[in-house]
Amino acid sequence: KQEVTQIPAALSVPEGENLVLNCSFTDSAIYNLQWFRQDPGKGLTSLLLIQSSQREQTSGRLNASLDKSSGRSTLYIAASQPGDSATYLCAVTDSSYKLIFGSGTRLLVRP
Amino acid sequence: NAGVTQTPKFQVLKTGQSMTLQCAQDMNHNSMYWYRQDPGMGLRLIYYSASEGTTDKGEVPNGYNVSRLNKREFSLRLESAAPSQTSVYFCASSENLGANVLTFGAGSRLTVL
Repeated sequence: KQEVTQIPAALSVPEGENLVLNCSFTDSAIYNLQWFRQDPGKGLTSLLLIQSSQREQTSGRLNASLDKSSGRSTLYIAASQPGDSATYLCAVTDSSYKLIFGSGTRLLVRP
Repeated sequence: NAGVTQTPKFQVLKTGQSMTLQCAQDMNHNSMYWYRQDPGMGLRLIYYSASEGTTDKGEVPNGYNVSRLNKREFSLRLESAAPSQTSVYFCASSENLGANVLTFGAGSRLTVL
């Protein structure tokens, strides 16, 4: 059974700092991995999608990497801003095409 | 705005009552999903519909039923609500099952007393 783990559960950093969020998964047989952002009381917004054949994807200040063989992904946020404060979730599409989520990392960027 | 619309946004039920959560998407997506989100547990898949006319169980289907009414609409029904079903429910859709980005609704917060 695929399991997705995110560490840390919560993170507080000063504005301007570069930071890394971690995601690990137990079964390397995935089709893709996605990073989502969730603001309090809101739905999820997809940030980056990495196909299983890719190593990384970039969008603005965000960079996500994927190492399928080791079951790991990282989300790098450069020059963090207070507006980046949110919960970040990663999810993998497993071999039966279902999306399996981690429990998320709650990020607070202090002004 | 194009996207996924869920109703209602909030609902309070008593144990044993029934209700239906409605979901509609206007992006001509084939696949639709229902998730629940509980504190500290991430999102868990309840049911999904790969295409119009098909539905399948996800990770936590017990106590729920679904209907894919047409390509646009996918409803989730609680026949006899239990306090353990207190949660935030999210509907999502994607172009096809598996390889595509999901678009989520804003969520429905359900409390069962």
